[in-house]
Amino acid sequence: GENVEQHPSTLSVQEGDSAVIKCTYSDSASNYFPWYKQELGKRPQLIIDIRSNVGEKKDQRIAVTLNKTAKHFSLHITETQPEDSAVYFCAASIRAAGNKLTFGGGTRVLVKP
Amino acid sequence: GAVVSQHPSWVICKSGTSVKIECRSLDFQATTMFWYRQFPKQSLMLMATSNEGSKATYEQGVEKDKFLINHASLTLSTLTVTSAHPEDSSFYICSARVLAGLYNEQFFGPGTRLTVL
Repeated sequence: GENVEQHPSTLSVQEGDSAVIKCTYSDSASNYFPWYKQELGKRPQLIIDIRSNVGEKKDQRIAVTLNKTAKHFSLHITETQPEDSAVYFCAASIRAAGNKLTFGGGTRVLVKP
Repeated sequence: GAVVSQHPSWVICKSGTSVKIECRSLDFQATTMFWYRQFPKQSLMLMATSNEGSKATYEQGVEKDKFLINHASLTLSTLTVTSAHPEDSSFYICSARVLAGLYNEQFFGPGTRLTVL
């Protein structure tokens, strides 16, 4: 089955700096790659997603890039703010396999004011 | 946007008892719902896929007789943890896939924190 690796597991940045989280996936049939932000004790919140027919997508301070050949995708957060502090998860799914999401291990991001 | 609710938000039970968790899609129909388990400081692990009107599909290593799933309608799926033990204590989260419309997107419930004494 699909395997998703996520790095780093923790990331500490200064407010205003950029944060980058990287994920790799194993199944070339994966075609949907969402990113979730989860605060302690809360539900995962979708912050951005990308489909396999697109290489890059941006939404204000957040961007995601996808390299299908290398089977990796990355989350970029610019101008980080303290409220960006949370755990971020990448995921991958295959529509033909029932859209099951396979999650990466998570990245704990701390934005220091 | 699509809203998914879960009930209860937390539950404490004695070892050996059964606990039922409900997952509802409030403003859309969901033929497919997913159940995840999340241990502290860990990622979400898919337990099973719940399909309306048919049997659930369980992931490898998940005991179907222990984690009973029922998806009786397009807006409700239930997870029953039978004969719960302390090692079943976890954060259980459901998600629902929109029946028609957004491609692949899943919407998550707020989660249920289960503590088994």
